[in-house]
Formats: sequence, structure tokens, C-alpha cells
Amino acid sequence: DAGVTQSPTHLIKTRGQHVTLRCSPISGHKSVSWYQQVLGQGPQFIFQYYEKEERGRGNFPDRFSARQFPNYSSELNVNALLLGDSALYLCASSLETGPFYNEQFFGPGTRLTVL
Amino acid sequence: AQSVTQPDIHITVSEGASLELRCNYSYGATPYLFWYVQSPGQGLQLLLKYFSGDTLVQGIKGFEAEFKRSQSSFNLRKPSVHWSDAAEYFCAVGAREGGSYIPTFGRGTSLIVHP
Repeated sequence: DAGVTQSPTHLIKTRGQHVTLRCSPISGHKSVSWYQQVLGQGPQFIFQYYEKEERGRGNFPDRFSARQFPNYSSELNVNALLLGDSALYLCASSLETGPFYNEQFFGPGTRLTVL
Repeated sequence: AQSVTQPDIHITVSEGASLELRCNYSYGATPYLFWYVQSPGQGLQLLLKYFSGDTLVQGIKGFEAEFKRSQSSFNLRKPSVHWSDAAEYFCAVGAREGGSYIPTFGRGTSLIVHP
């Protein structure tokens, strides 16, 4: 079975531009989470979606938004890019979400470089 | 708020030697604790997790970790390191955020293995 897939693999943008990153979860998984991993740091939680609804949001500005589609795939959008947005963006999927543990399976990430 | 400290940025060991990676956490309740590994160009892979019960947890690839509540630690160990273990290792604590469990990651420890 295919794991979590993300596209594109790499992306170069300039300051002020907009970017859309895409994620396809493992088949049967209904929850998708997004993380930002700046070089030399651990992943930082951005969003969690379940059944197309936002279930969690990290401490990120409103320039960051996301959505989940009926097929459970997801998009992360970042507006007005800043140099500091350069990072590896990781998507993780899990069967579901809730007040109990659901193992998250991570994709390989999208490397975003902002010039 | 929960936090994770990995005090060692880099660890260098010889192949065949034993390994211990340190992790200290801060969390008010009984934590969910995780160790992940990230190889270059790869997403994060779960090595092991602790929820409750036996404080010595066995994981994949020959890794184990011990939960010590009195020291707020969850150190990762392996008795004999292989060259393929060279990677970035992340400790994480899972905390409930908006009804779901969201992992908070440490900054990671880079493992270098000498032949």
C-alpha cells in the first residue's frame, strides 16, 4: 500500500508570493495533520483536519490556511511568503482523531525555499 | 504547556558501540511519549511509544526507551549501533489539544556513526 504522498517535492518561491502544498493520506485514513520543520529544529504543528473539519491549530499566523477534501486529501496554503517560511513541510495521516491516540504516519515532506 | 528537551544536538558513536539519546519532557499530566527517526529525504518514522504500564518500552530496529517519571525523562537506547542508524532522532510528547492528541517535538539529535 502507498504511504502518505506529498507534492511537490521541492519548491522555490519569492517573498510575497503564495504557495499551495498537497497531501494524499494513506488509504482509509480520515485525518491529516500538517507540520513545519525549520532546518535544525523539530517539526512544529500547524493544523489537523478530520472529516473536512479543522480539529486543531498551532501557533501560526493567519497567512497559513488549509483544507481537506471529500477524498481526505489536503492542501496547505501560505500567503505573502516570508523568508522565515523556508522549511520542510510535513503531512501526516491517521485513521481518525479524538481524545485518544491515533498513530500518525508521515510523508516525505515538501521542501519550500523562499528567496 | 508541554515541552521537550533533547540536550545533545549531535552524538557520535562507533559502529557496534552502545547508544543512549537523552530526552526530558515537561507535561502536567501522564504523558504520551514517542521517539521518531528521520533519515535524509524521508519523513518521520515512529520507533516506539509509551502510554502507560511497563516503563521499559521496546521498539523497532532494536531500540528501547525507559520512562522515568521522577526524572521526567524518556531516554532512547540501543545496545549495538549499525551504520544504517545514522539519522536524526526526535523525542515527542503527545498532549491533548482541542480534543485530539498532538505531538510536541524536541529539536532532535543527529546521530553520526563511525565505521
